[in-house]
Amino acid sequence: EAQVTQNPRYLITVTGKKLTVTCSQNMNHEYMSWYRQDPGLGLRQIYYSMNVEVTDKGDVPEGYKVSRKEKRNFPLILESPSPNQTSLYFCASSFWGVTEAFFGQGTRLTVV
Amino acid sequence: KQEVTQIPAALSVPEGENLVLNCSFTDSAIYNLQWFRQDPGKGLTSLLLIQSSQREQTSGRLNASLDKSSGRSTLYIAASQPGDSATYLCAVRETSGSRLTFGEGTQLTVNP
Repeated sequence: EAQVTQNPRYLITVTGKKLTVTCSQNMNHEYMSWYRQDPGLGLRQIYYSMNVEVTDKGDVPEGYKVSRKEKRNFPLILESPSPNQTSLYFCASSFWGVTEAFFGQGTRLTVV
Repeated sequence: KQEVTQIPAALSVPEGENLVLNCSFTDSAIYNLQWFRQDPGKGLTSLLLIQSSQREQTSGRLNASLDKSSGRSTLYIAASQPGDSATYLCAVRETSGSRLTFGEGTQLTVNP
């Protein structure tokens, strides 16, 4: 089954404790990206990657890091989480350009 | 910068009604437009993808149209059912292919 898998689905952590949210896709997509969803602000892009070892900032990259060492994986790293990073996070993948984007089930992160 | 607006923000209808959700975007230089469905606390499910060269797409009771020159898309849902209750999001992919820009969604409630 074609899918984008995120882990964990739910996470509560404390300010400053480094964490990683994993994202994996099984569709051989070149393009992967991370979004956060906040009430009143909608979905905003954090980072994206056009292929292995190629990443770039989206609209709200501050406080986040990503890496793309393998085509299927695109982890999101929060080196020192803060309460304003409490949000619902989505990973997405697609072939480049004109094709349909597939989304993971989301990770609800709470930073206290 | 691309901006996407969805009207109405919320809609409540009785079961069986045909309804139209609206999406407008400010920059007509797009690759495609995609409609998604999001259930509470869940991920995004792709409903329809319209390429910039297309006028409409249909899937079952759903029909999406695109008027790129005027920056508008509509999602038509025929014979609505309670199971259609969800938030509907539209997203446009810019011609660089690097991002999806989302509207804030229309929250639909179909009452039995």
